[in-house]
Amino acid sequence: SQQGEEDPQALSIQEGENATMNCSYKTSINNLQWYRQNSGRGLVHLILIRSNEREKHSGRLRVTLDTSKKSSSLLITASRAADTASYFCATDWGTPLVFGKGTRLSVIA
Amino acid sequence: NAGVTQTPKFQVLKTGQSMTLQCAQDMNHEYMSWYRQDPGMGLRLIHYSVGAGITDQGEVPNGYNVSRSTTEDFPLRLLSAAPSQTSVYFCASSDRQGGEKLFFGSGTQLSVL
Repeated sequence: SQQGEEDPQALSIQEGENATMNCSYKTSINNLQWYRQNSGRGLVHLILIRSNEREKHSGRLRVTLDTSKKSSSLLITASRAADTASYFCATDWGTPLVFGKGTRLSVIA
Repeated sequence: NAGVTQTPKFQVLKTGQSMTLQCAQDMNHEYMSWYRQDPGMGLRLIHYSVGAGITDQGEVPNGYNVSRSTTEDFPLRLLSAAPSQTSVYFCASSDRQGGEKLFFGSGTQLSVL
């Protein structure tokens, strides 16, 4: 069974807008990671946030983690057409990483 | 430094045939794993290994075998292919079990007729 669930399943925005994706999970975790998958390709690691961290930044990416609500969000600022991809959260709770079903982001130029 | 290499990229099998999906990494990673990705299902873990000679089952292991004789290689064997095994298969590795970022191969698209 999958630990993380992303929301929304699909998101369509205009270039330059911000995109926010959410991930909810069920049990206590050690860390939470976000990955990107371009169509037909393997997943690429974006960012890792540990359970004792609340926010992390990497370039145009901002990830927050709320362990009391068992949720995380990924914000992509000033989106570009090249950000069009599927985004997955993955949770580590002492076992191999468990992935959610992903959010499909479309950025329209 | 090639990272994680998967072969073949595409494969068509008939029901009942067997085959091996190859995965090799050149990063000296101890941890390797196999996932399958189906539409609407996300990625599901098939098998994983925390080091040479050690393997364990994931969420969907039935119909698949693995072995880990070297640190570099982690092949996935389909013993008797079934249409339900039509999927995209990804191999991934990291420098320790589970907790750190995974490096993924480019995938094998398998169709079983």
